[in-house]
Amino acid sequence: SQTIHQWPATLVQPVGSPLSLECTVEGTSNPNLYWYRQAAGRGLQLLFYSVGIGQISSEVPQNLSASRPQDRQFILSSKKLLLSDSGFYLCAWRTGHPNSPLHFGNGTRLTVT
Amino acid sequence: AQTVTQSQPEMSVQEAETVTLSCTYDTSENNYYLFWYKQPPSRQMILVIRQEAYKQQNATENRFSVNFQKAAKSFSLKISDSQLGDTAMYFCAPRRGNQFYFGTGTSLTVIP
Repeated sequence: SQTIHQWPATLVQPVGSPLSLECTVEGTSNPNLYWYRQAAGRGLQLLFYSVGIGQISSEVPQNLSASRPQDRQFILSSKKLLLSDSGFYLCAWRTGHPNSPLHFGNGTRLTVT
Repeated sequence: AQTVTQSQPEMSVQEAETVTLSCTYDTSENNYYLFWYKQPPSRQMILVIRQEAYKQQNATENRFSVNFQKAAKSFSLKISDSQLGDTAMYFCAPRRGNQFYFGTGTSLTVIP
């Protein structure tokens, strides 16, 4: 069966520090991969998605970036965190089938201090 | 970005009763897919139900069903026999291409 791993679960970082969140999927190949951010009490904002290795689509301009160095690995990064980067980050995957839903990881709670 | 409206920020329902959560969306496409997700206090996102727009029959999953009105671009979720474990945020999410667009959510509380 397919599983998704996302880490760390929680992270406290000072303003200006770098960020690296990692997500890996097991049990499937060539998944579509996604990064979402959820601010407190709000909906999900799509940050990046990828349909293949090295293919990244960005939804919002910001100081975050994403990379997909391997088929089932998706990394969210920042060189210098801002206070506004605080939030709950969710990684998700789906197959390329039209009715495939998103399958989410457990999320990372990021607090920038 | 696609507009998704969940007009009920908060709702409550007595245990064992029925509740309906509303969702409207904007799309110019004819064939697409819609999803409802549940996010309990653990914050894990859980798929509740999905609907394919070309199917006229409303989807059903145990106590969960949808009322899909394609012309009105409405996709409401009905929860029957509400249980305490249904307490969660519920998000409507139409899919367009490779992108899922999430509404702002409805916080549902089931009262014992």
